[in-house]
Amino acid sequence: EGQLVQSGAEVKKPGASVKISCKVSGYTFTDYHIHWVQQVPGKGLEWVGFVDPEDGETMYAQKFQGRVTITADTSTDTAYMELSSLRSEDTAVYFCATIGGSDLTDWWGQGTLVTVSS
Amino acid sequence: SSELTQDPAVSVALGQTVRITCQGDSVMRYYVKWYQQKPGQAPLLVMSDTSNRPSGIPDRFSASSSGNTAVLTITGAQAEDEGDYYCNSRDSSGHPAIFGGGTKLTVL
Repeated sequence: EGQLVQSGAEVKKPGASVKISCKVSGYTFTDYHIHWVQQVPGKGLEWVGFVDPEDGETMYAQKFQGRVTITADTSTDTAYMELSSLRSEDTAVYFCATIGGSDLTDWWGQGTLVTVSS
Repeated sequence: SSELTQDPAVSVALGQTVRITCQGDSVMRYYVKWYQQKPGQAPLLVMSDTSNRPSGIPDRFSASSSGNTAVLTITGAQAEDEGDYYCNSRDSSGHPAIFGGGTKLTVL
């Protein structure tokens, strides 16, 4: 079974950038896309984008286009999500997940809280 | 439209049956997945987009779809079924990019 372990909580000032990581184990990293999902406190789930670790292909939700960069490092089996020009409304838990395949490979990280505050 | 609409909250008496709905155009093109989320935890898949229950999910969970509405049914709801439920479907590119707004289930 796949495991996704994310980096720890971050506190950033408005206008800064944050880069959070998602290290996978238990399966071949290049077999499944890594998706990122945002959850603002008390709100629902929102898809941010994904990366295909095999070829680096990415796609982003329109809401985050231009501010988000998702990458994959096959040498360390780690995916990254960088969000720039942070604002208070980016305060949220961000999950990485392999949700594009079957029920057998639907795995989630534990989530990373990003707090944007002056 | 690329939106999925869910009722914000639903309640059910212990042991009774509850249906959680998810409406949207993408339901007519793709099967939806259903996730359960409890406070402080990552979402958990309870029904796949092929209407299969992942290993470990009780058989009181089932799913169906008709027209633009998908339904998650819990037959004989238990206290541990309380939580938020989200439907998830694919966008026009086939990516699992669309989440419903979520339904908070309370078991009375």
